[in-house]
Amino acid sequence: EAQVTQNPRYLITVTGKKLTVTCSQNMNHEYMSWYRQDPGLGLRQIYYSMNVEVTDKGDVPEGYKVSRKEKRNFPLILESPSPNQTSLYFCASSIHRGRGYTFGSGTRLTVV
Amino acid sequence: AQSVTQLGSHVSVSEGALVLLRCNYSSSVPPYLFWYVQYPNQGLQLLLKYTSAATLVKGINGFEAEFKKSETSFHLTKPSAHMSDAAEYFCAVSGAGSYQLTFGKGTKLSVIP
Repeated sequence: EAQVTQNPRYLITVTGKKLTVTCSQNMNHEYMSWYRQDPGLGLRQIYYSMNVEVTDKGDVPEGYKVSRKEKRNFPLILESPSPNQTSLYFCASSIHRGRGYTFGSGTRLTVV
Repeated sequence: AQSVTQLGSHVSVSEGALVLLRCNYSSSVPPYLFWYVQYPNQGLQLLLKYTSAATLVKGINGFEAEFKKSETSFHLTKPSAHMSDAAEYFCAVSGAGSYQLTFGKGTKLSVIP
């Protein structure tokens, strides 16, 4: 089944403890992206990647890092999480911008 | 820069009534436009997309949307609402030459029995 897989689905952590949210797609898509969803704000792009080793900032990149060492994987790294990063995170991939984007099921992160 | 405005953060309709969710966009180049639906505790599912072919686009679950360049609009409609349509709906735009997908803030649709 073609899909984008995120792990974990739920995560509660403490301020300052480094964490990684994994994202993997099995559709050979070149483009991948991370979004955060907050009530009343919709989805905002954090980072995106056009291909292996090619990444760029989205609208809200502060406090996040990404890497794209393999085409299928695009992990999101929070080096020192803070409570304002409590949010619902989505990974997405696409083969072409006109074809739409396939989203993962989301990761609900709580930083206390 | 591109942006999306969805009018109405909450819309309530009676079961069987017309659903109309409004979306206006700004883009300096002809855009790709999308509607996504999000059911509670789930990810986003693509409802339909406009990619410069027909201006009236049909999607899944009986939804359709019409691209009107002169009004920079891409409103989502469904002739008769079902209880199962209750969800949050997001309009999104991607400008030609860019993979950046910009979302509206979403419209939560409630269907009253």
